[in-house]
Amino acid sequence: DQQVKQNSPSLSVQEGRISILNCDYTNSMFDYFLWYKKYPAEGPTFLISISSIKDKNEDGRFTVFLNKSAKHLSLHIVPSQPGDSAVYFCAADAGGTSYGKLTFGQGTILTVHP
Amino acid sequence: NAGVMQNPRHLVRRRGQEARLRCSPMKGHSHVYWYRQLPEEGLKFMVYLQKENIIDESGMPKERFSAEFPKEGPSILRIQQVVRGDSAAYFCASSPSGAGGNEQFFGPGTRLTVL
Repeated sequence: DQQVKQNSPSLSVQEGRISILNCDYTNSMFDYFLWYKKYPAEGPTFLISISSIKDKNEDGRFTVFLNKSAKHLSLHIVPSQPGDSAVYFCAADAGGTSYGKLTFGQGTILTVHP
Repeated sequence: NAGVMQNPRHLVRRRGQEARLRCSPMKGHSHVYWYRQLPEEGLKFMVYLQKENIIDESGMPKERFSAEFPKEGPSILRIQQVVRGDSAAYFCASSPSGAGGNEQFFGPGTRLTVL
């Protein structure tokens, strides 16, 4: 029962262009969403998050959009840089008595070509 | 300002042996989460602990796995009588609060290989 899904295993983008990573979820109890970036042999690093009461959150080159009715969120990176090449995980938190435990998607491998 | 530390980084065990994975949270953090990442998959929640207490172990296999976070020292994830299916990357994360919506800071992981 995959409650958070990232349907694109990989994405290839040219440097300077926009990268759009997508994530779908099924559990309507999720009220907080996070994106993590992971390099090989390292732990995930927090990128950006969004609360379910918002539909957009922006931090520098990174913007997350949330469409609650569609149970869909996306991460936009613009402009993309070669150093952005990594695995990106979408994660969700049900708040309340979930104690902050995160449910992760399978990840999307982003490759940014110079 | 050290981050989350995990050791060992790599651990090789033969079937039937015990594996002990250690996690030292960030300074000031008293909430620890353990996650497991199987090959080609995302991270899966295993257990959430506060100092001296297991709060949520709903993601932990019922047998052979246990976790603790003593008053002093690191959190320990213990796997008894390991099997090949236990081969995975095990990550711990710490947080200043167990409330939802708080960022979790991850360690570099322990890669367990069972021969």
